[in-house]
Amino acid sequence: AQKITQTQPGMFVQEKEAVTLDCTYDTSDQSYGLFWYKQPSSGEMIFLIYQGSYDEQNATEGRYSLNFQKARKSANLVISASQLGDSAMYFCAMREGSVTGGFKTIFGAGTRLFVKA
Amino acid sequence: DADVTQTPRNRITKTGKRIMLECSQTKGHDRMYWYRQDPGLGLRLIYYSFDVKDINKGEISDGYSVSRQAQAKFSLSLESAIPNQTALYFCATSDTGQGYEKLFFGSGTQLSVL
Repeated sequence: AQKITQTQPGMFVQEKEAVTLDCTYDTSDQSYGLFWYKQPSSGEMIFLIYQGSYDEQNATEGRYSLNFQKARKSANLVISASQLGDSAMYFCAMREGSVTGGFKTIFGAGTRLFVKA
Repeated sequence: DADVTQTPRNRITKTGKRIMLECSQTKGHDRMYWYRQDPGLGLRLIYYSFDVKDINKGEISDGYSVSRQAQAKFSLSLESAIPNQTALYFCATSDTGQGYEKLFFGSGTQLSVL
């Protein structure tokens, strides 16, 4: 069963508008972490934002915010004031595991965002 | 210089050939990972290592092997490459310096198996 689900293969947004990229996850762990990474056309993976499962406030990093709804198991990425340089693939990821078994990070399939001028 | 360096950046090989992808890091991290990226599937974990003596299989380890030669070096081998191993391969390291485990990626190796 897929543990990280990104239901939007592709998204379009007008420059300067906000956009929300969806992510739902599945875990039975009480302690876990949620991440978003950006992959521009150049191919590198860039860390954007992190949310811990015990964090009560939504994480924010500049124009990025993570809308964390624990009961719904969703961790949507919100990009405000989109820029042309935001056009990229975006991956939602979750760190799961245990102290004894070790931790690892698993990824969703990604959402490709296109920002229109 | 990149903190996580993968070589080669691109490789084309033939079915049945043995291939090694190399990864080195200057970040001083103990934890290293190999992922492959396929369109529509995201990144999937192949192997990971929490220190030189600790190697673990990920979700898709069949057909792959790894070697952790030193803290800074983690190589991935395809003993007998097959076309469905054509993918973009990423090496990554991680640390928990900020209270959570953040991944640092290399630039990737695009492998094509003909």
